[in-house]
Amino acid sequence: SQQGEEDPQALSIQEGENATMNCSYKTSINNLQWYRQNSGRGLVHLILIRSNEREKHSGRLRVTLDTSKKSSSLLITASRAADTASYFCATDAKGGSEKLVFGKGTKLTVNP
Amino acid sequence: EPEVTQTPSHQVTQMGQEVILRCVPISNHLYFYWYRQILGQKVEFLVSFYNNEISEKSEIFDDQFSVERPDGSNFTLKIRSTKLEDSAMYFCASSEIGLAGGTQYFGPGTRLLVL
Repeated sequence: SQQGEEDPQALSIQEGENATMNCSYKTSINNLQWYRQNSGRGLVHLILIRSNEREKHSGRLRVTLDTSKKSSSLLITASRAADTASYFCATDAKGGSEKLVFGKGTKLTVNP
Repeated sequence: EPEVTQTPSHQVTQMGQEVILRCVPISNHLYFYWYRQILGQKVEFLVSFYNNEISEKSEIFDDQFSVERPDGSNFTLKIRSTKLEDSAMYFCASSEIGLAGGTQYFGPGTRLLVL
């Protein structure tokens, strides 16, 4: 399959701490996107990083991409209770496919 | 900020019935998608649609499924004869750019329960 796994599967931290989630994939990609999903709700787009980019920031989010290792990480700094959600990475595949392939996600719990 | 909308938010149906899930993509977007997420599982791609035709579909998207853009704003997913295993959250997404470019923006989903 195209997608690997996110790790950890679950992460519990205290408010104010940083949270790091990792994602691995198997094929060459054009982009990698991170999404957030509150329990039972829709997918909210967080950030897109292109295959020729190594790092991208958006507010308290920092995403890195290492295409040689086929991996990405999402760092949320100074976490808040409202950041509690599941976080997914999704990749598209070079070669003409438009579909996104999602990992299983990391369930983040930020304790107040 | 423009967003993808979906109706209904929840649908309960009997096995064998037809359901139509509706989506209104973001207005200037040209690429449309359906995904589904069975409870506790990964989000899975179903189909992509561009220029009034299917551009790609997964193995899940069999003859029981069809998509349509009946007018300039709506994008629908029809399941002809629902099965128990069709119970899932169905997400519509749209993108301004297709291949190699686009952020796909997702709607809030329709939770389908087949009894």
